[in-house]
Amino acid sequence: GAGVSQSPSNKVTEKGKDVELRCDPISGHTALYWYRQRLGQGLEFLIYFQGNSAPDKSGLPSDRFSAERTGESVSTLTIQRTQQEDSAVYLCASTHSNQPQHFGDGTRLSIL
Amino acid sequence: DQQVKQNSPSLSVQEGRISILNCDYTNSMFDYFLWYKKYPAEGPTFLISISSIKDKNEDGRFTVFLNKSAKHLSLHIVPSQPGDSAVYFCASGGTGANSKLTFGKGITLSVRP
Repeated sequence: GAGVSQSPSNKVTEKGKDVELRCDPISGHTALYWYRQRLGQGLEFLIYFQGNSAPDKSGLPSDRFSAERTGESVSTLTIQRTQQEDSAVYLCASTHSNQPQHFGDGTRLSIL
Repeated sequence: DQQVKQNSPSLSVQEGRISILNCDYTNSMFDYFLWYKKYPAEGPTFLISISSIKDKNEDGRFTVFLNKSAKHLSLHIVPSQPGDSAVYFCASGGTGANSKLTFGKGITLSVRP
């Protein structure tokens, strides 16, 4: 498809396990963002990639969170030793130039 | 510290009438403002934007108004349609290309047939 694709759409895991979330941005979009939305809240910025570099990681909540991007395309967000407060919808967006960010449908992460 | 505030969690309007969704921000560095619409289990979809050099931007049934001195913006939908029922997020960004966005908590709009 032509939109931002995220996988898995849903993930249920036990507390303490590691999880990896994937984002395929729109082809040609150089900028990629990760946000998360906790229940009843707005979207919180996590990290921004320009190409394969991450000039802004200010939103990552702890060192258990990391992200990488390769080939100026796919990005993965990894959460190590998951905690219950990590439960949220994780959203990826991409853009180029000064266009509005286009979002994927998100990964709903539930930590038991 | 919420930099973007949508103080009303919900709004219900009759089909055909005007819907007015409000948003306030505190960061004077914000100069780009957007509205996103979100249906359940889907990602936010871009609706309309406005830069700080303007006070109004219109796109079909949707108009966004910006009052910089009051740090307030609003989204007007007229006439409202049942398909407009969704959660609407106000978002703000700073200067420069590819600025990260700061979002409000959203407002749930219900348009009654």
